[in-house]
Amino acid sequence: DIVMTQSPDSLAVSLGERATINCKSSQSLLSSSNNKNYLAWYQHKPGQPPKLLIYWASTRESGVPDRFSASGSGTDFSLTISSLQAEDVAVYYCQHYYGTASTFGQGTKVEVK
Amino acid sequence: EVLLLESGGGLVQPGGSLRLSCAASGFTFSSSAMTWVRQAPGKGLEWVAVMSVSGDRTYYADSVKGRFTISRDNSKSTLFLQMNNLRAEDTAVYSCARDASRGDYPPYWIDSWGQGTLVTVSS
Repeated sequence: DIVMTQSPDSLAVSLGERATINCKSSQSLLSSSNNKNYLAWYQHKPGQPPKLLIYWASTRESGVPDRFSASGSGTDFSLTISSLQAEDVAVYYCQHYYGTASTFGQGTKVEVK
Repeated sequence: EVLLLESGGGLVQPGGSLRLSCAASGFTFSSSAMTWVRQAPGKGLEWVAVMSVSGDRTYYADSVKGRFTISRDNSKSTLFLQMNNLRAEDTAVYSCARDASRGDYPPYWIDSWGQGTLVTVSS
């Protein structure tokens, strides 16, 4: 199975500052057939279902603020919040969907410093 | 609006069985792959299983393979998860979710989630 490892486990960022979360997969998520990376990012707030932010590694879901961006290819990916807002406090997960199974990273908790 | 309502959770003894249901509305259920995800208390998200639109393809996490069975009734817009030989480590909130695949080759990303139902495995 593909193992997804996020770093850091938690980070505290001042309001208005940049937050970057990394996600590393144990094998490449880049498909040679369509040149797409099979990776998604979610935001999860307590008491709410997770919210899809990004799919295909860098495609922002409709309605997601443009302060959220993501990049990466192969085995190394990142999610960036360009200017942290109070409502962005949450746990963020990456998820691979390459092949016939899926796994999530362990999550990264983002807090306000 | 996509609505996913899980039911069937509860307390069960180790080795026991439980069947979860998920009633879907607000979208064409028969055109969407569906999945189950769980979250143990204080832990992260864990992908459990997915079923294709037609039901011909099902895939499972290694942790539940051989014990859990995902199924669907498209005529009733309902997804199921049959859980057998339950273990303490299966204790979690189980959420039904819509996979972004609209065909027979899931998994893809998840674009809608239910609130979940709690399963507690304890003697």
